Amino acid sequence: SQQGEEDPQALSIQEGENATMNCSYKTSINNLQWYRQNSGRGLVHLILIRSNEREKHSGRLRVTLDTSKKSSSLLITASRAADTASYFCATDAFTNAGKSTFGDGTTLTVKP
Amino acid sequence: DAGITQSPRHKVTETGTPVTLRCHQTENHRYMYWYRQDPGHGLRLIHYSYGVKDTDKGEVSDGYSVSRSKTEDFLLTLESATSSQTSVYFCAISRDRVDEQYFGPGTRLTVT
Repeated sequence: SQQGEEDPQALSIQEGENATMNCSYKTSINNLQWYRQNSGRGLVHLILIRSNEREKHSGRLRVTLDTSKKSSSLLITASRAADTASYFCATDAFTNAGKSTFGDGTTLTVKP
Repeated sequence: DAGITQSPRHKVTETGTPVTLRCHQTENHRYMYWYRQDPGHGLRLIHYSYGVKDTDKGEVSDGYSVSRSKTEDFLLTLESATSSQTSVYFCAISRDRVDEQYFGPGTRLTVT
């Protein structure tokens, strides 16, 4: 069953603009993580946000979590061509701890 | 990069043959995971391990078995490969069950 679902499926922006992608999930979670995947490569961990946290920052990345709406957003500020990748959210459900469920991802293209 | 290697990196095999993929880590992490990723989709958990000889099924475990006889090695076996198992397989590790995961480079398996 699909726990995390990203929106939009694809996003194309100009370098320097901000990129926002969203993740919705269905059941209560312990934590939510965001990963990046460059074409043909493995996933790289970006940020982990726990269910009792509302916002986390890491460099140009900002993640928010709204447990009442069962949703999270990833904001990339001042995007660069190197940010072109697919971005996935992964949820660790409270009732299924240790088994992260990944969404289908958002494909971000940043044009120079 | 976390010390995770996967072998082989590419494999082509025929339907009905057994296949074993190997994941090796040098981080001494307790948890290890096998995922598959199909075109345009996120990762789906096949099996995971929470210690030597301790494994559990994931979302898509049918047709796959795993073994972990040492902390550093986690093997995924397809007893009789089918065309539906053509995919990219990723291994991941984590310190704890609700911790961030670090991914290997992937194995591209084609079953003809």
